[in-house]
Amino acid sequence: AQSVTQPDIHITVSEGASLELRCNYSYGATPYLFWYVQSPGQGLQLLLKYFSGDTLVQGIKGFEAEFKRSQSSFNLRKPSVHWSDAAEYFCAVGALRPGNTPLVFGKGTRLSVIA
Amino acid sequence: DTAVSQTPKYLVTQMGNDKSIKCEQNLGHDTMYWYKQDSKKFLKIMFSYNNKELIINETVPNRFSPKSPDKAHLNLHINSLELGDSAVYFCASSQEGIKKPEKLFFGSGTQLSVL
Repeated sequence: AQSVTQPDIHITVSEGASLELRCNYSYGATPYLFWYVQSPGQGLQLLLKYFSGDTLVQGIKGFEAEFKRSQSSFNLRKPSVHWSDAAEYFCAVGALRPGNTPLVFGKGTRLSVIA
Repeated sequence: DTAVSQTPKYLVTQMGNDKSIKCEQNLGHDTMYWYKQDSKKFLKIMFSYNNKELIINETVPNRFSPKSPDKAHLNLHINSLELGDSAVYFCASSQEGIKKPEKLFFGSGTQLSVL
């Protein structure tokens, strides 16, 4: 079964600074990887996903993530953080499945942005 | 138009009561889910339905009973509510026509508080 680890529970960055949120996955085959963002009181919104091909994927809101098979990682990055990026970020892994296997989510990383 | 809508947004109730949460999606998706997010933000799958048929039933107490009258609706009924049921419950949907994980569309959540 697949699993996801997000090592950082809470990260604080200054507005305009760069951001990297870590995600490590465990899965025996090629994973399908996602990053979701949850704003306070809201559901989750997809930022980006990786299925195959180019290991650097671009998402919405200026986010990108890089799949590194050798490190079992799919870290999320943004070159310049905006105050509106403050939210909870979830990494998720899915599997190619004969039946329906739901996405497995990490425990999330809360991002705080300071002036 | 809201793609995945769930009601109510907030639900406060006494222990022992029975309550329902409703979910509707207007995306034409085949698969719907219920996720539970605990106080530590951990998201865990509860149920998955595909075309009104139960596909996944994780280790959830049988006090929780999902019902899918049609593929656009997946309601969650909870009997004999307990304090530990307090959480945010998210409905989600996806198109499962292809057997790889697809993007999940989430509702905005129902915050359940059991007193």
